[in-house]
Amino acid sequence: DAGVTQSPTHLIKTRGQHVTLRCSPISGHKSVSWYQQVLGQGPQFIFQYYEKEERGRGNFPDRFSARQFPNYSSELNVNALLLGDSALYLCASSSNRGPIGIGEQFFGPGTRLTVL
Amino acid sequence: GESVGLHLPTLSVQEGDNSIINCAYSNSASDYFIWYKQESGKGPQFIIDIRSNMDKRQGQRVTVLLNKTVKHLSLQIAATQPGDSAVYFCAENWAGSYQLTFGKGTKLSVIP
Repeated sequence: DAGVTQSPTHLIKTRGQHVTLRCSPISGHKSVSWYQQVLGQGPQFIFQYYEKEERGRGNFPDRFSARQFPNYSSELNVNALLLGDSALYLCASSSNRGPIGIGEQFFGPGTRLTVL
Repeated sequence: GESVGLHLPTLSVQEGDNSIINCAYSNSASDYFIWYKQESGKGPQFIIDIRSNMDKRQGQRVTVLLNKTVKHLSLQIAATQPGDSAVYFCAENWAGSYQLTFGKGTKLSVIP
């Protein structure tokens, strides 16, 4: 079985541009979470979606948005890119309908975004 | 691959020795804790978890200890192997929350 997949693996953008990152969860998982990991730090929570509804949002500006599709895949959009948005963007999928349970979040390999 | 371990605390251990990685968590309301391993160029990988109604949990070669009084978590790795070299993160979650809050991470280097 395939794990969580993310595309693209690497991306280079310039300041002010817009970016869309994509995530496909593990088959059967209905929840997707997005995290931002700046080099040398732990991942920071951005969003969680379940059944196409946003269930949680971290402390990120409105330039960050996301959505989940009927097949449970998800997109993360970032507008008006800043240099500080350079990071590894991680997607995690989960099967549980409720809050995080035991060992549930399975992470993808991430998309490395570089903003010049 | 790119390193996720820049500027992180580093623990160097001889192959075959035991490793202890520590974590101070932030929220006294947290009731669920996970240790993740992250290798260079990869996403975090689940190692072991523990709920706040326990103070110790064992897996294969790993043990997690939880001290709620001082908000401290530790990961013990027995007979450390070169493949254990990675950055290790603790993460916490509290009831009703859908997010994991990660600590800063510790880079484990195993000396052959």
